[in-house]
Amino acid sequence: IAGITQAPTSQILAAGRRMTLRCTQDMRHNAMYWYRQDLGLGLRLIHYSNTAGTTGKGEVPDGYSVSRANTDDFPLTLASAVPSQTSVYFCASSDSDAGGPDEQFFGPGTRLTVL
Amino acid sequence: GQNIDQPTEMTATEGAIVQINCTYQTSGFNGLFWYQQHAGEAPTFLSYNVLDGLEEKGRFSSFLSRSKGYSYLLLKELQMKDSASYLCAVKDSNYQLIWGAGTKLIIKP
Repeated sequence: IAGITQAPTSQILAAGRRMTLRCTQDMRHNAMYWYRQDLGLGLRLIHYSNTAGTTGKGEVPDGYSVSRANTDDFPLTLASAVPSQTSVYFCASSDSDAGGPDEQFFGPGTRLTVL
Repeated sequence: GQNIDQPTEMTATEGAIVQINCTYQTSGFNGLFWYQQHAGEAPTFLSYNVLDGLEEKGRFSSFLSRSKGYSYLLLKELQMKDSASYLCAVKDSNYQLIWGAGTKLIIKP
């Protein structure tokens, strides 16, 4: 593994189904993030984690949950998918959640379609 | 509310110079980032500004004016591979990144 990986790459899901998007990083970064990216809109933060064992809500958390059992993994779960959750989902990580030039590194994304 | 504004799309010619502007209104300021995103790919980091002035990195430069809530990304000697979206993001008082919708840059030969 090099950097951040996400799985699956893409998924078509029936409305009402439960889905977990996986994210793993091997950079030992403290902070991890989940974003969704929709056409014409900026990246929007869903949930974040500043360190293993803690999570927080971002701008658009409704319908999503996360966990951070260890440093490397940060799965995102859609409990009951709805069509408005059709989007491209990016996982990201950074060494610090505070100020400074710590850039966020992004995974390749998961393209999710909910029908 | 928090807001980041960038032009939706710009067109430039190979070999030329282009300036992509970004204005922001955020609750607090802890730095401004520029990212590049090629179609179908993940964003990648380009530059970071926290103090007023110009930061130069090869063909790319980024400028910040905190009093005006304004930044620009300057791309020189444009190459076809520079065709991409350029995302402006501000780290707010909660140290969260607030993202603009991105500027799609089209390079013509």
